[in-house]
Amino acid sequence: GNSVTQMEGPVTLSEEAFLTINCTYTATGYPSLFWYVQYPGEGLQLLLKATKADDKGSNKGFEATYRKETTSFHLEKGSVQVSDSAVYFCALGTGANNLFFGTGTRLTVIP
Amino acid sequence: DTAVSQTPKYLVTQMGNDKSIKCEQNLGHDTMYWYKQDSKKFLKIMFSYNNKELIINETVPNRFSPKSPDKAHLNLHINSLELGDSAVYFCASSQEGSRFYEQYFGPGTRLTVT
Repeated sequence: GNSVTQMEGPVTLSEEAFLTINCTYTATGYPSLFWYVQYPGEGLQLLLKATKADDKGSNKGFEATYRKETTSFHLEKGSVQVSDSAVYFCALGTGANNLFFGTGTRLTVIP
Repeated sequence: DTAVSQTPKYLVTQMGNDKSIKCEQNLGHDTMYWYKQDSKKFLKIMFSYNNKELIINETVPNRFSPKSPDKAHLNLHINSLELGDSAVYFCASSQEGSRFYEQYFGPGTRLTVT
């Protein structure tokens, strides 16, 4: 079946620290992988995506590489800011218009 | 321009009432969804719907029903509201057949049942 396992939070970092949020998946077929971000009081926004193995998605300083050999799609950012405080969701997309979400990881960045 | 919009943003109501949440998308997508997010931020798919098929998550009580007047709208109607229905409800849309399967979300409706 299809599923996503995401690093449990919450994660608290100081400004300018390095961020990694782990995400692994199981899937049938050839899924696309996504990171969505939910800022306080808002809906989910697509942060980045990768559609095939070895693709790197990037946006706003965040990166994630689709690793088929390790079935992973870890989110990284070299230097976080207070404005990055949010909940981050890893997701897997397959046919039949389904998205499978991880449980979300809350990130708090302190000045 | 708002791609996926929901109304209302907040909804407070009493147990036993019937309420609806509206969703509209202007992306030209043909598939729409409803998700429920609980207090721990866990997202659960409730329905996916296009003009051909309604797929219902089997764990969703039949008090919940999606209603689609046209391709751009998917409203969520809830009968006999219960305390456990309190959550944030998100509407989303996607294009069937898209290679990338990404979905676009609305801002959410926070439902509080008292």
